[in-house]
Amino acid sequence: DTAVSQTPKYLVTQMGNDKSIKCEQNLGHDTMYWYKQDSKKFLKIMFSYNNKELIINETVPNRFSPKSPDKAHLNLHINSLELGDSAVYFCASSPTSGRYWVKGEAFFGQGTRLTVV
Amino acid sequence: AQSVTQLGSHVSVSEGALVLLRCNYSSSVPPYLFWYVQYPNQGLQLLLKYTTGATLVKGINGFEAEFKKSETSFHLTKPSAHMSDAAEYFCAVSDKTGANNLFFGTGTRLTVIP
Repeated sequence: DTAVSQTPKYLVTQMGNDKSIKCEQNLGHDTMYWYKQDSKKFLKIMFSYNNKELIINETVPNRFSPKSPDKAHLNLHINSLELGDSAVYFCASSPTSGRYWVKGEAFFGQGTRLTVV
Repeated sequence: AQSVTQLGSHVSVSEGALVLLRCNYSSSVPPYLFWYVQYPNQGLQLLLKYTTGATLVKGINGFEAEFKKSETSFHLTKPSAHMSDAAEYFCAVSDKTGANNLFFGTGTRLTVIP
């Protein structure tokens, strides 16, 4: 009954490869996100989707392409991986309405540790 | 634009001692305020949040935080540290009027000494 699940948990790949990280939430939330946590633990938003529509697209190289087939899924595809892409990527989700809704409050997945060698 | 400052990237306390993790925000309008905890190799878990009303909020695992508008602060405290509290703690804010996402501080690693 995992709320926000992402796969894989660990991903080791070579420079230049293309890889994807998958995320699914069963909370019925409208909004999903990708956050990046760098080696210094700093967390920053990359993308957010609301009902499959791209809402936030921070300054992220266009090698990163999110895809939302439905509002319960938000996948992250990365082309031509570089050493600097090594990080932990977190998927998250949040509602956008409801009695107890607090703007921005998010539920996070366990993270995907990407290592580019 | 929102910004969050966490003073002290590392805090060490003895088991049983008071835990105090500092967070200050910068915003023209008081935002919503959150504390998240990240245990090793885990995702982020919400500890507590402040929206409106009572400025002292209680969260899980005995933690609490007080919103002080005059000081633009939202410091996290726990009266008595347990070994299991060792983790990374993140203060975060969201803009009441802006986009539906969080802005995080740089995190504070809490070490509990036996």
